[in-house]
Amino acid sequence: TQLLEQSPQFLSIQEGENLTVYCNSSSVFSSLQWYRQEPGEGPVLLVTVVTGGEVKKLKRLTFQFGDARKDSSLHITAAQPGDTGLYLCAGAQGTSYDKVIFGPGTSLSVIP
Amino acid sequence: GAVVSQHPSRVICKSGTSVKIECRSLDFQATTMFWYRQFPKQSLMLMATSNEGSKATYEQGVEKDKFLINHASLTLSTLTVTSAHPEDSSFYICSAKTHRGFRNSPLHFGNGTRLTVT
Repeated sequence: TQLLEQSPQFLSIQEGENLTVYCNSSSVFSSLQWYRQEPGEGPVLLVTVVTGGEVKKLKRLTFQFGDARKDSSLHITAAQPGDTGLYLCAGAQGTSYDKVIFGPGTSLSVIP
Repeated sequence: GAVVSQHPSRVICKSGTSVKIECRSLDFQATTMFWYRQFPKQSLMLMATSNEGSKATYEQGVEKDKFLINHASLTLSTLTVTSAHPEDSSFYICSAKTHRGFRNSPLHFGNGTRLTVT
């Protein structure tokens, strides 16, 4: 079974600061997805990365997929209180790509 | 975009009773849906994969007789927590893909069901 690890587990920063969240595995994933979840709601997809070395930008968020497709990072520039939430990385498992497993998550709190 | 609707959003039941949670894909057909469980401040744990017209596939450690899954149509999957106990209290979330078998096809999630067993 492929496992995903995330770091840090918790992060509390001031508004305007930058941060990076990491997602790592000892296994190769066919694709990785990043989701953001707010309390009491389902996760919402931020991005999907499928190619080793791929970099995608979504406004102040930058996502990178490692060359070996075993790790990914999420960098947020000038964090805002609205970025507060649980960030989850998820990887497609198996040849069907349908079964998705989640990392343990990074709980981000941005203080005004 | 693809919408997954989950109902109810919250339910409180007494110990020993059964609770049914519905998951519907509103604007697409989903031959496969996924049920997750999430404890406070923790990640999502895959419980089972629901397959339309066939038996669900349960993850290791998940009791299939405890968590009954029925996927009777291409737009509806249900999870029934039977003989619920306080330890079953959790946040249950369903999800579906618009395109099976594609590695860049994301999961679309329902808004979850907060189950509290008293």
